[in-house]
Amino acid sequence: DTGVSQDPRHKITKRGQNVTFRCDPISEHNRLYWYRQTLGQGPEFLTYFQNEAQLEKSRLLSDRFSAERPKGSFSTLEIQRTEQGDSAMYLCASSLFPARGVVMNTEAFFGQGTRLTVV
Amino acid sequence: GDSVTQMEGPVTLSEEAFLTINCTYTATGYPSLFWYVQYPGEGLQLLLKATKADDKGSNKGFEATYRKETTSFHLEKGSVQVSDSAVYFCAYLWVKLTFGTGTRLTIIP
Repeated sequence: DTGVSQDPRHKITKRGQNVTFRCDPISEHNRLYWYRQTLGQGPEFLTYFQNEAQLEKSRLLSDRFSAERPKGSFSTLEIQRTEQGDSAMYLCASSLFPARGVVMNTEAFFGQGTRLTVV
Repeated sequence: GDSVTQMEGPVTLSEEAFLTINCTYTATGYPSLFWYVQYPGEGLQLLLKATKADDKGSNKGFEATYRKETTSFHLEKGSVQVSDSAVYFCAYLWVKLTFGTGTRLTIIP
């Protein structure tokens, strides 16, 4: 396993089009996170999954955004009717959240990101 | 709510100077703490981590100690190099990974 992979690495789309990004986490990791990073800013949390369940969504995630992790492995992030303000780097990360009885969370590993440009 | 407060930048230092970038957090539970680094044009890389109180994370000459009593995780390096120029993010992981706003560091020869 070579780590978290994201596809595509770059996407240029016209305003109003739909786009979908894919993230393949590290295989044994049960948590998967999506973040957005704009130029000069830190990563902003969008949503995360524990296995296939989406447990939290940021208010940044408008109704044009939807994320899925259907089998608890890879995840997709779809943006409908893209706007220029959606232009950003979309980052995926995964981690192993320990089983019951162990409170310590492990580190999150990031993919290289998908850079979206809406023109 | 949970948050990370990070020293604002940009920070400019001369080569071989001592570096400190402050980071404090407010969180519930037992978070793990991290410093990530982002070099120009590259993705986020984990620099170092600490998973419990009093742990010291270290890598590439950088160090940070998990101080539960002061809820801090300050990043230090004794002698910085031009190649350390990057943006540094403090973060903690409990339910989710929460980042500070980042500190841009520039080292001049």
